[in-house]
Formats: sequence, structure tokens, C-alpha cells
Amino acid sequence: EIQLQESGPGLVKPSQSLSLTCSVTGYTITSGYDWSWIRKFPGNKMEWMGYISYSGSTNYNPSLKSRISITRDTSKNQFFLQLNSVTTEDTATYYCARLFPGDWGQGVMVTVSS
Amino acid sequence: DIVMTQGALPNPVPSGESASITCQSSKSLLHSNGKTYLNWYLQRPGQSPQLLIYWMSTRASGVSDRFSGSGSGTDFTLKISSVEAEDVGVYYCQQFLEYPRTFGGGTKLELK
Repeated sequence: EIQLQESGPGLVKPSQSLSLTCSVTGYTITSGYDWSWIRKFPGNKMEWMGYISYSGSTNYNPSLKSRISITRDTSKNQFFLQLNSVTTEDTATYYCARLFPGDWGQGVMVTVSS
Repeated sequence: DIVMTQGALPNPVPSGESASITCQSSKSLLHSNGKTYLNWYLQRPGQSPQLLIYWMSTRASGVSDRFSGSGSGTDFTLKISSVEAEDVGVYYCQQFLEYPRTFGGGTKLELK
């Protein structure tokens, strides 16, 4: 059974970078599928941020394109999110997911505050 | 970007009644291959989103047959027959025809 688990700091200062890790067990991320980051803002708004494919290609939401980077470490079966120059508007719960067939991590809440 | 717009529910919904959640897309999600690129998710309180329906009307593995999806290219409905306590949460539609993937604003279901 596949499991995804996010990890990273829960508090980031404005203008700094947000870095999160998604650890995947039960499936090798180079075997197939796209591996996404999605965030849910306070309230209900959900935003797809981008993905890294099983082959290593990436696709980012244009709204974030200048600030986002998704990378991976295939030896550890992990993929990563880096979001630069964060503001309070980036306060959200961040999820890693294999959108299809529908596997999500439990999410990590990140607050941007000084 | 494709804009997804969800309708509200007349909450709270009496237990055992049916509930229908609507979703509209700003562009047709019907692909030339005949499939409609629309997902439905449920996020229960304190949990991560769960995929309920994909290709507009196909139930995901393990999902109750009380959930059904229907629609056209731009107008979609998720129907929950005989609402139960475990159905409480926020429902999202999401298009996967184009990038960036986009979600509706969410529809909250509360139980009476």
C-alpha cells in the first residue's frame, strides 16, 4: 500500500524559503505517475502547485513559476518542494499527492509569520 | 486557467436524504477521446482529500455506490444518496484536462 508523508518546518519567516519533503513508501516514484504538491489555504481554497514526473520532468503552476522548484532524490524515494520569497499569503496546509489514482499525504500546516 | 465554480448545499442535510452538489467549468472538459476530465473529492474534517469520482462518473476504488457523478462538458453533479454521518466534510470538483489543474471552491456538507 502506498503512503505519502510530508515533513518540514511549520513556521517560516516572510521573505525566506519554504522547504518540504514528501517521503513515499510502497511505490517507487520513478516507476510511474506524476508527483504533485497541492496546498489548501485557510478557508477552502485549494491550489495545485506543480508536479515532478516519474521521469524527472516538472510542470509548475504559472502563478508560482518564478518562486517554485520541485526536485527529487530517487535513492531515498522522496520529492521536495521549495517555495522562495514567501509571504503571509503562503500560509496554508501543504499536501503531496499522486493525484491519480488518488493518494495524498496527511498534509503539513505551514505558517508564514515573523 | 479553467475556472471551476461550485454551488452551495442547503445545509444541514437530514440524515438519509439525498444531496446534489453542482460544479461548473469555464471550458468544456470533454476530450476528443470521449472522456470528461473531471474529478470529485471529499475532505472529511481532519483528513486529507479522498478521490471519490474520476472521469466525471467513475467511482474510485472502495467508494460507496451512494456516490454518483454525472454531467455534460461544463456542468457536473455529484449526487449522494441517503446521506450518512461519514459523508460530512467539504467536496471539491477538479479538472484535469489542462494545466494548471484547478479546483472548485469547495462545498460543505453538514448533517442534520
